[in-house]
Amino acid sequence: NAGVMQNPRHLVRRRGQEARLRCSPMKGHSHVYWYRQLPEEGLKFMVYLQKENIIDESGMPKERFSAEFPKEGPSILRIQQVVRGDSAAYFCASSPGLTSGRDEQFFGPGTRLTVL
Amino acid sequence: QKEVEQDPGPLSVPEGAIVSLNCTYSNSAFQYFMWYRQYSRKGPELLMYTYSSGNKEDGRFTAQVDKSSKYISLFIRDSQPSDSATYLCAMLRSGGYQKVTFGTGTKLQVIP
Repeated sequence: NAGVMQNPRHLVRRRGQEARLRCSPMKGHSHVYWYRQLPEEGLKFMVYLQKENIIDESGMPKERFSAEFPKEGPSILRIQQVVRGDSAAYFCASSPGLTSGRDEQFFGPGTRLTVL
Repeated sequence: QKEVEQDPGPLSVPEGAIVSLNCTYSNSAFQYFMWYRQYSRKGPELLMYTYSSGNKEDGRFTAQVDKSSKYISLFIRDSQPSDSATYLCAMLRSGGYQKVTFGTGTKLQVIP
């Protein structure tokens, strides 16, 4: 049973380019969360999605960042016109979306984005 | 003030020592408390999950929650070099939805 998969694991972009980060949740999971981790900082929540719906994007910067989780295929975190401050590790987590009991989030290995 | 405060360390202990990791929080809406372990360049993995005040034990790990003081702890007994990692406390509000608030993490090194 494969865990949460993220690709690419490492991504290098020049300032002004676009970055696309992909996340395939665990089998049977319909809820996806994106987090950003800056050096020496904890994980910061960015966005929470269910299939075809953004539930909470309160942690997303208002500009340049967008996320989607289509009916088919992986969830995508898209960063347009990247700047050096976007350099970070981006983690995706998924959960089955249990409405009772513990709805545990399982994390992927992360994508490390470096902006030159 | 951050919602969750955690000493970043680093914390260095000899093999076999008892390790104590702590977090404080300010928001009384937090009802669920977790500890994650994150090895270098890996994703976090869930170690312990607690709801009520008190202790929860799992092998060498004990999680302690004191809601009245807004203080949580993770104890590691007989620490091993393989325990060397960053430990993140995390919290959830009660009800519905699963936005997790993390501490900054404490880096632990267990010296053989």
